[in-house]
Amino acid sequence: DIQMTQPPSSLSASVGDRVTITCRASQSISTYLNWYQQKPGKAPNLLIYAASHLQSGVPSRFSGSGSGTDFTLTISSLQPEDFATYYCQQTYSAPHTFGQGTKLEIK
Amino acid sequence: QLQLQESGPGLVKPSETLSLTCTVSGGSISSSSYYWGWIRQPPGKGLEWIGSIYYSGNTDYNPSLKSRVTISVDTSKNQFSLNLNSVTAADTAVYYCARQGYYGSGSWGALDIWGQGTKVTVSS
Repeated sequence: DIQMTQPPSSLSASVGDRVTITCRASQSISTYLNWYQQKPGKAPNLLIYAASHLQSGVPSRFSGSGSGTDFTLTISSLQPEDFATYYCQQTYSAPHTFGQGTKLEIK
Repeated sequence: QLQLQESGPGLVKPSETLSLTCTVSGGSISSSSYYWGWIRQPPGKGLEWIGSIYYSGNTDYNPSLKSRVTISVDTSKNQFSLNLNSVTAADTAVYYCARQGYYGSGSWGALDIWGQGTKVTVSS
């Protein structure tokens, strides 16, 4: 199985900050990397697919980059509604594993 | 607007079989562009991909659960289902169904539409 790592598990930031969340794959996955946002008690919501493509309806302050084994999700200017947990997922090969998540908290 | 809705028992006894159904509305499950998947999330933990199914019946399972999992599809009802047998407390989780993009030739996309999730507790 491909292991997905998201250090750190939590991150503190303030409204208006630029934030970068990282994800690393245990082997090359090309750009088969997706990012999801999950708020408490809710289903995950797709933000970015294929490493850098913004899902329809997602604010443009979210962006993704990377290929191979190293990927980043960037939020250009944090809004109050962005405090949530973020997961990466590889769909290069089954099982389509998720990272353990990065919880973005208010500083 | 495509929507997915999970249904099934919220409480299952240890050693028994967990059975859930996902009903797809607002679109057809018989699309060549998508697989239909199950994902779970134990309390306070992360997401685990369980497996997925194509409208033709082709399946892909997580090897860690493969011996206990069956996913099936009923295109006439626009539904797909999850059976997980020999459950233990470790199978207690919120179970989600979701649509997953498929590009063909074993090339997969993201989980772009999710159900709201259903909580299943394994307890006697």
